[in-house]
Amino acid sequence: AQSVTQPDIHITVSEGASLELRCNYSYGATPYLFWYVQSPGQGLQLLLKYFSGDTLVQGIKGFEAEFKRSQSSFNLRKPSVHWSDAAEYFCAVGPNYGGATNKLIFGTGTLLAVQP
Amino acid sequence: GAGVSQSPSNKVTEKGKDVELRCDPISGHTALYWYRQSLGQGLEFLIYFQGNSAPDKSGLPSDRFSAERTGGSVSTLTIQRTQQEDSAVYLCASSLVGGGQSYGYTFGSGTRLTVV
Repeated sequence: AQSVTQPDIHITVSEGASLELRCNYSYGATPYLFWYVQSPGQGLQLLLKYFSGDTLVQGIKGFEAEFKRSQSSFNLRKPSVHWSDAAEYFCAVGPNYGGATNKLIFGTGTLLAVQP
Repeated sequence: GAGVSQSPSNKVTEKGKDVELRCDPISGHTALYWYRQSLGQGLEFLIYFQGNSAPDKSGLPSDRFSAERTGGSVSTLTIQRTQQEDSAVYLCASSLVGGGQSYGYTFGSGTRLTVV
C-alpha cells in the first residue's frame, strides 16, 4: 500500500540550530516527492519537490531535502532555524506517471516549535 | 484569481443539517482536489477533478458526501446530514494540468467545519 510516514509528531529546536525532519515512503515505483509547510490558520505552501535528477533539492526559505532511494526517504533539512519556521510540515508522495488519478498522499505531519 | 479561494472560512452547523463548501481554483488550473484535515491527522484525500469530471472519488467517506465542478472552475463539496465526526478543515487545491504533481498543488486556506 502507498503510504508516507513522518515518525516525529513534534520537534522542538532552538533558534539557530540545525533541523532535520524525517520522511519515509512506501510506493510501487519512484514517486514524485514534496514537502509542504502549514502555518497556523493557513493553507499549505509548497517548500520543495523532487522529480528526478539531482537527489539534493533546494527549496524556499533556505530548506533542502535529499532523496535516498535505498532508504525510501526524503528528509527535510535546514542549517539554521529561524523563529518564523515554527509550523507544521508535511511530506507527500505522488505518481510520476499520468494515471487516472494524480492525488498526493500525505504524511501526518511534524509540528515544529522553535525556542529562543 | 491569484490564489485558491475557499468559502466560508469557518462554518458552524447543527448535526443533521446540510452544508456546502466552495472552492474557486486558480484560473486555468484544470485539476482540482479536495482533502480533509482532522485534528492531529494528516491530509485525507476526498476527490479529484479533471475538468468537470471526477476520475477519482475514492476518498469520499460516505454517500453523505458529494462534490461537483462546473465550467471547469468552481467546485462545491456538499455534506448532507452532517455528523460530529465531519468536523474538520476541508482543504481545496488546484494544479495546472492533470499530471499536477509535476507542479505541486496550490492550496486554499481551507474551511473549518464544526458540527455541534
